[in-house]
Amino acid sequence: DTAVSQTPKYLVTQMGNDKSIKCEQNLGHDTMYWYKQDSKKFLKIMFSYNNKELIINETVPNRFSPKSPDKAHLNLHINSLELGDSAVYFCASSQGLRNEQYFGPGTRLTVT
Amino acid sequence: AQTVTQSQPEMSVQEAETVTLSCTYDTSENNYYLFWYKQPPSRQMILVIRQEAYKQQNATENRFSVNFQKAAKSFSLKISDSQLGDTAMYFCAFMKPRGGRGATNKLIFGTGTLLAVQP
Repeated sequence: DTAVSQTPKYLVTQMGNDKSIKCEQNLGHDTMYWYKQDSKKFLKIMFSYNNKELIINETVPNRFSPKSPDKAHLNLHINSLELGDSAVYFCASSQGLRNEQYFGPGTRLTVT
Repeated sequence: AQTVTQSQPEMSVQEAETVTLSCTYDTSENNYYLFWYKQPPSRQMILVIRQEAYKQQNATENRFSVNFQKAAKSFSLKISDSQLGDTAMYFCAFMKPRGGRGATNKLIFGTGTLLAVQP
C-alpha cells in the first residue's frame, strides 16, 4: 500500500519545456507539501496546501504553480524549465494535530 | 527565523556499535516539534523519531533515541547496535506546529549527516 506516491519518479527534459509532477496520498491527510532537494541534498519547503487552500508559498519563481484538485492530490506544474530547476522534488502529507509529514519517493528532475 | 545546524557532514560507525549525530537549532519559540528523518540511497525520506518541545522525556523508537536539551537548543540522535541498513543521510528538522501565530507546519531542515555503517 503506497501512502504517498509521485509520478513520474524520473523526468528528463530540455530547457524551456513545461512539465508537471503529480502527487497522491491515500492517508486521508488534510495537508500536502512540495519540497525541493538540491544537488547538495539541502531540503527546502516550496508550497503547502491545507484542505485545498494554499497556506505556504515560499520564495519560489512564478514559473512554479501548485494545484490541488482535492485533498488527496497536489500537483506541481513548472513552466519554462531552467537548468537550475534540476533537483529532486518531494511531495509530503500530514494530518492536523499529529504533524508528522510523510514523504513520497521523490521525482528526480533533470533539465538539459 | 528558525535555523537548524548539523555540524557533522559525515560519520562512520562499526556495525553493532553506538553512534550519536548532533543537531542544534535556533528559535525564540517555546512550542515546537523536532524530527529526525533518514534518507537511504533509495532516496525515500523516512521519519525516524519526533520530539515535542513541551515534553521533558526524551523520545525513543527501538534502537533510536534522542537527547533533547531545550535550554541548550540541542537535539542529538543516538543509534544503538548500528546495522548496515542504517547507512543513510540523516536530517534533523524543526517545525512550529499549526495552530499558533505564524505557525505554518513547514519543516526546516539541517544540511544532513551522511552516516556509513561499516561491516
